[in-house]
Amino acid sequence: DVKVTQSSRYLVKRTGEKVFLECVQDMDHENMFWYRQDPGLGLRLIYFSYDVKMKEKGDIPEGYSVSREKKERFSLILESASTNQTSMYLCANKRTGGDYGYTFGSGTRLTVV
Amino acid sequence: DAKTTQPTSMDCAEGRAANLPCNHSTISGNEYVYWYRQIHSQGPQYIIHGLKNNETNEMASLIITEDRKSSTLILPHATLRDTAVYYCIVRVATSSGSARQLTFGSGTQLTVLP
Repeated sequence: DVKVTQSSRYLVKRTGEKVFLECVQDMDHENMFWYRQDPGLGLRLIYFSYDVKMKEKGDIPEGYSVSREKKERFSLILESASTNQTSMYLCANKRTGGDYGYTFGSGTRLTVV
Repeated sequence: DAKTTQPTSMDCAEGRAANLPCNHSTISGNEYVYWYRQIHSQGPQYIIHGLKNNETNEMASLIITEDRKSSTLILPHATLRDTAVYYCIVRVATSSGSARQLTFGSGTQLTVLP
């Protein structure tokens, strides 16, 4: 089974800090995604990447950036954390082509104080 | 992607079949029906998907009506661990090199009762 591993389950950071959320997959899937999930708003796409060094903005990229230097790793960066970025962050991957499903990580619950 | 409608919540007795409905009356011919679930405080988990024919795997069965305007996810013998939010999603399969986002609606909160 494809595994998507997020480095931290819970994080508490201070306002203004630079925050790195790491996501690693153990299969050779091209596409990786970062979502945030908030009550009443469902999953919202922040950024995705369909290849190494490639990235595309999702619906809510403001305040975030991403890095994909290696195929297996997709990092989400909060340049200057703010309290409205307190959320559950979910990483996912997907194989290109056909009707493959997405595989999600367990999520990182980030609290910005 | 076509819009889906699901009941907000459902209960099911442990050991009984759980039947979760989904309406997708605006589905187009090249859109698949996907089901995911999310157990509290975990990431979503892929369950099953289908286009026209009924599908079955080790987790569940998917029944799609002939006109494809609705579908039902069946968990044949629900357990307490099946308590989760179940999402029905309709989308085009990605055939090109670029990725497409996955849009989750509100889903159905299934509670399996002992």
